[in-house]
Order: sequence, then C-alpha cells, then structure tokens
Amino acid sequence: QLQLQESGPGLVKPSETLSLTCTVSGGSISSSSYYWGWIRQPPGKGLEWIGTMDYTGITYYNPSLKSRVTMSVDTSENNFSLNLISVTAADTAVYYCARWGGSPPSPDYWGQGTLVTVSS
Amino acid sequence: QAGLTQPPSVSKGLRQTATLTCTGNSNNVGYQGAAWLQQHQGHPPKLLSYRNNNRPSGISERFSASRSGNTASLTITGLQPEDEADYYCSAWDRSLSTRVFGGGTKLTVL
Repeated sequence: QLQLQESGPGLVKPSETLSLTCTVSGGSISSSSYYWGWIRQPPGKGLEWIGTMDYTGITYYNPSLKSRVTMSVDTSENNFSLNLISVTAADTAVYYCARWGGSPPSPDYWGQGTLVTVSS
Repeated sequence: QAGLTQPPSVSKGLRQTATLTCTGNSNNVGYQGAAWLQQHQGHPPKLLSYRNNNRPSGISERFSASRSGNTASLTITGLQPEDEADYYCSAWDRSLSTRVFGGGTKLTVL
C-alpha cells in the first residue's frame, strides 16, 4: 500500500523559507507513470495547487506561486521536497503531498498533511 | 483560490440522491473534464473520480460523475451518513497553465 508522509517544521517566521519533505513508502518514486506534488489548504478554506513534478525533476508550478516555489526529487531517498521562500501569514496552511496518477493526472494518493504556521 | 464554481452547500435526506455541480469554462472543465475529491473534517481529500467518470479502485459505485459542456456533476445515490463531507472539483486550466479547484460544496445528510 502506497503511503506518503510529510515532514518539516510546523512554525516558520515571516520572510523565511518553508521547507517540507514528502517520503514515499510502499512504492517507487522513480516511475514514469506518476507525478508527485503539493497542495495546500489554509485553515477553514479550500484547496490550492502548488506544483507537480515527475521523477526526472521536470516541474510544473502554480503561476501565482512560481516566483517563490522550488520542488525537487531525491530518487535515492524515495522522497521529494518543497521550498517556499519569503513566506507571510497568508502561507499558513495544511500542506499535503500527493501522487498524481491517471490521465489526465489526478491526486490519487495523499499524505496526512502537515500544518505550517507562519508567525513570529 | 477558487477557479471553478461550486454551490457552498447541499442538503439531502438519508438514502436520497444528491447531485453536486462544478462550473468552469472551455479551458478547464470543458477541456479535459474534472476530478472530484471528498474530504472529511480533519482528513486529507480522497479522489472519487477523474476525467469525468473514472473511479479509482475501492470507490463505491454510488459515486458517479459526468460532464455537460463546461459543467461537471457528481451524483451520489443512496446517501449514507458517512457521505457527509466537503466535495471539491478540480481541473487543469490550459489557458492559465495551472490546476484549479472549486471552492467546495459541503454536503449535509439529513
């Protein structure tokens, strides 16, 4: 059974960098059949796509976040990461990592999510 | 950031049928259809269907999706208490080069 688990700090100061890692178990991240990505959800609000990537590192970012987002993959560790720079309180959200499968790709496996609060 | 339009709430009785709608345009829902996700409070979303009516393994046949033009629909038959949740639609928007979500519909089972 494929499982995804987010990890990283739960509190980040304004103007600093939010860094999260998603560790994949029960399956290989090095599959050409799937994409991997991040979605966030501010408390009490809806879902926002952050970005998606394949195992070779080709990335697709939300244009509204593109200037601040970097995603990367580590096939040796079977994980992928998210960096979001210059955070503000508006970046406070539950961050989910997900596998994207099917055609067109849709998020079919999700991590449990991790709450990241931006506050001094 | 809601690019697709969903009614904020729908209420239906136990064992009834609920139809949730998601309206976009020719660049998103009308282009490749929509995916539907269910989210219970405090839990991650779960994919119910993609590209209109392809269900992942394990998803009940009570959930069926369709599309007419730029509007996608999710029909849930024989409503059960556990169907009470938030439902989101999502699609790739080729003009914006971004994945867009609806604002979500809160389904209440009376």
